[in-house]
Amino acid sequence: TQLLEQSPQFLSIQEGENLTVYCNSSSVFSSLQWYRQEPGEGPVLLVTVVTGGEVKKLKRLTFQFGDARKDSSLHITAAQTGDTGLYLCAGVMDSNYQLIWGAGTKLIIKP
Amino acid sequence: ETGVTQTPRHLVMGMTNKKSLKCEQHLGHNAMYWYKQSAKKPLELMFVYSLEERVENNSVPSRFSPECPNSSHLFLHLHTLQPEDSALYLCASSPLTGTGGFDEQYFGPGTRLTVT
Repeated sequence: TQLLEQSPQFLSIQEGENLTVYCNSSSVFSSLQWYRQEPGEGPVLLVTVVTGGEVKKLKRLTFQFGDARKDSSLHITAAQTGDTGLYLCAGVMDSNYQLIWGAGTKLIIKP
Repeated sequence: ETGVTQTPRHLVMGMTNKKSLKCEQHLGHNAMYWYKQSAKKPLELMFVYSLEERVENNSVPSRFSPECPNSSHLFLHLHTLQPEDSALYLCASSPLTGTGGFDEQYFGPGTRLTVT
């Protein structure tokens, strides 16, 4: 049983469309990190959310941390082919400060 | 440009071979990590070094042996691996947090390992 569930596992959409991916858990996190991994590369940190209810924007990407700090979402507006990649979330456990990883959402943006 | 480099980028080895993976970070961080990444599975943390001391060893088989000679370099020595060890091996570094927990990770590009 994974502590952090990411959904969907795979998403393929056309350029210009909007999308949301989710990162859910029954555990409470002191913070949550989002990474993007492109083929042949390691994950790159996009953002860290810390406060329950927090919303952070990175250009067309909007990240939200749930009020209870158990879940997070990533919304992409007007997706571009450059957004293609594996999106990973990782939560720092509130209880022991360990980092828990989700399995990722593989996103493909078609031109 | 990433501040964490890994060599080699690709490695094919037989089950009786001995090889080593190398990682170097140029970010001035004090913690370094080895992860195993397999398709459709969460990243598996293998080893953590904090200030050059190993602080985490998540029941990794002894055929994997880490070495951290200084805060900038990390090695993973491999011997008598199994085909199921084929995966992408990622090195990461991070600054140390005041809580002693895991801070934001800076990854290298990984070594794609194939065990035949």
